[in-house]
Amino acid sequence: GQQLNQSPQSMFIQEGEDVSMNCTSSSIFNTWLWYKQEPGEGPVLLIALYKAGELTSNGRLTAQFGITRKDSFLNISASIPSDVGIYFCAGQITGNQFYFGTGTSLTVIP
Amino acid sequence: GAGVSQSPRYKVAKRGQDVALRCDPISGHVSLFWYQQALGQGPEFLTYFQNEAQLDKSGLPSDRFFAERPEGSVSTLKIQRTQQEDSAVYLCASYDLYGYTFGSGTRLTVV
Repeated sequence: GQQLNQSPQSMFIQEGEDVSMNCTSSSIFNTWLWYKQEPGEGPVLLIALYKAGELTSNGRLTAQFGITRKDSFLNISASIPSDVGIYFCAGQITGNQFYFGTGTSLTVIP
Repeated sequence: GAGVSQSPRYKVAKRGQDVALRCDPISGHVSLFWYQQALGQGPEFLTYFQNEAQLDKSGLPSDRFFAERPEGSVSTLKIQRTQQEDSAVYLCASYDLYGYTFGSGTRLTVV
């Protein structure tokens, strides 16, 4: 399967700080999705990106589809304790299958 | 229903036992996916249905894994003769224009 590398692997930040994480691949993707997963739950869709260069926001979250189509970025502004979880990127080349990254674990310290 | 429902939430199986995991997708969603998520990893694709047709089963790790969706709605993932390496969370997702909606998963532990 496709390899999606997420970094950083984990983050420990103070409440109120901004967060940046990214996802890179050696393959070109046509769609990027960002998900958040909390313990004992399935991933929940945060943002979907459909074309290169696209910048999309969802509240305090902003994600970008990289120009090369091989990467994507997720930013969270003014973090709050409920932002805690594991953030996954997922990329689609063709068809309906998505490939998931290894996740970035976020801990927010009040 | 409003979301994707999976059952059971937790399953402990003795090595060698057969298990069946159920997924109720969002009503009307044609596409259904099964993913396997090992501890500390991202979900990995197992198989995909469009209605009752299994269009891609390339991710099934062995012939002990079998999935069906006979009437194009509920799907069952069956694992025969379970092994310890089968221990994982099994996620079901239905798909629309915006991406996947996942269920909460079934956590399978093989002892």
